[in-house]
Amino acid sequence: DVKVTQSSRYLVKRTGEKVFLECVQDMDHENMFWYRQDPGLGLRLIYFSYDVKMKEKGDIPEGYSVSREKKERFSLILESASTNQTSMYLCASSFRQYTQYFGPGTRLTVL
Amino acid sequence: GNSVTQMEGPVTLSEEAFLTINCTYTATGYPSLFWYVQYPGEGLQLLLKATKADDKGSNKGFEATYRKETTSFHLEKGSVQVSDSAVYFCALTGNTGNQFYFGTGTSLTVIP
Repeated sequence: DVKVTQSSRYLVKRTGEKVFLECVQDMDHENMFWYRQDPGLGLRLIYFSYDVKMKEKGDIPEGYSVSREKKERFSLILESASTNQTSMYLCASSFRQYTQYFGPGTRLTVL
Repeated sequence: GNSVTQMEGPVTLSEEAFLTINCTYTATGYPSLFWYVQYPGEGLQLLLKATKADDKGSNKGFEATYRKETTSFHLEKGSVQVSDSAVYFCALTGNTGNQFYFGTGTSLTVIP
């Protein structure tokens, strides 16, 4: 059974904190993705990675960075959290352009 | 470029009603098309997919047919249940590159 896990379901942080969101997949997928989901805006792609140590900016990369040191793990970093980064964050993985598999999501609140 | 447009919600139906959620797309080449479902508080799950024109994807009583001539992939179910209440996303991926393109989602509520 395919599995994508995210480090936290709920997270509360303060403005200015550095925040790490981690995602792990056990399917040996090449591609991994980070999205944020906001009401009325659907899913917006933040960053994706098609190989270890490789990354590409998505539609809204500002204020975020990513790290992929191992194939199964893709981390999203908020360098200095701000209130407008309060959102649901979804991680996904895929083999090439085929089906994306999603984790359960992390609901982040920045106070 | 690639994009997906799906009907805006929210949609409210009575149990056993017929469901249609419209989805149209713009894409270069020959995309694969997907419907994902998101239940409250969860991530997205693949509901069904179709990889070429005239293919029909189906799962859990839901169906969608890949119509190249109308660039559409409408989701249908003949008789909805309360447990189908969720947000539904239409998506495509091109035959080159690795990105997915999602619609904005359609919220469905089924009332007993």
